[in-house]
Amino acid sequence: AQSVTQLGSHVSVSEGALVLLRCNYSSSVPPYLFWYVQYPNQGLQLLLKYTTGATLVKGINGFEAEFKKSETSFHLTKPSAHMSDAAEYFCAVSPRGYQKVTFGIGTKLQVIP
Amino acid sequence: SQTIHQWPATLVQPVGSPLSLECTVEGTSNPNLYWYRQAAGRGLQLLFYSVGIGQISSEVPQNLSASRPQDRQFILSSKKLLLSDSGFYLCAWSPLAGLAASYEQYFGPGTRLTVT
Repeated sequence: AQSVTQLGSHVSVSEGALVLLRCNYSSSVPPYLFWYVQYPNQGLQLLLKYTTGATLVKGINGFEAEFKKSETSFHLTKPSAHMSDAAEYFCAVSPRGYQKVTFGIGTKLQVIP
Repeated sequence: SQTIHQWPATLVQPVGSPLSLECTVEGTSNPNLYWYRQAAGRGLQLLFYSVGIGQISSEVPQNLSASRPQDRQFILSSKKLLLSDSGFYLCAWSPLAGLAASYEQYFGPGTRLTVT
């Protein structure tokens, strides 16, 4: 079975500051990992994914995430927060060869001007 | 390019009434299809998923059901709604499974259901 833990249901950062959203996973087989973003009253949008190869993955809107197998982590970062980054972010895991994805509970990012 | 539609966008229904939410995907064939419910502070709960026409897997026993009458159409239904059915319902699709499939999902805009 797989699971995802997102540390911090709410994170606040100042505009221009580093964004760090934490995600740890557990999976019985090597996983695929995803980050999604959700703006109010909208569906989820895929930010980035890790499947294989390079452990540092770049996504849309300047976000990136690093897969660290030894730490079972897949934290999401962005060097400089923008007001438009305010949204809810979901980490998700899917074991290879498995068609279902398990989502974390989400982290709401607030960007303070 | 692929697009996914859901309707209605919002719905207010009394307890005990029936429900039908529809989801359609354009621009792809044989997608995997999913229904999720999202409640505040509880993340996404997978309700049903389908790998083909007429093939439905249920994840959570409840008074909801799903059907896939056509390859790119997925319907969520209920005969009698409960107050606890209120929430934000999301439909998603993922590409057909293959050797390199990673099952990333693409979501529709959602339906906000309020049961009164």
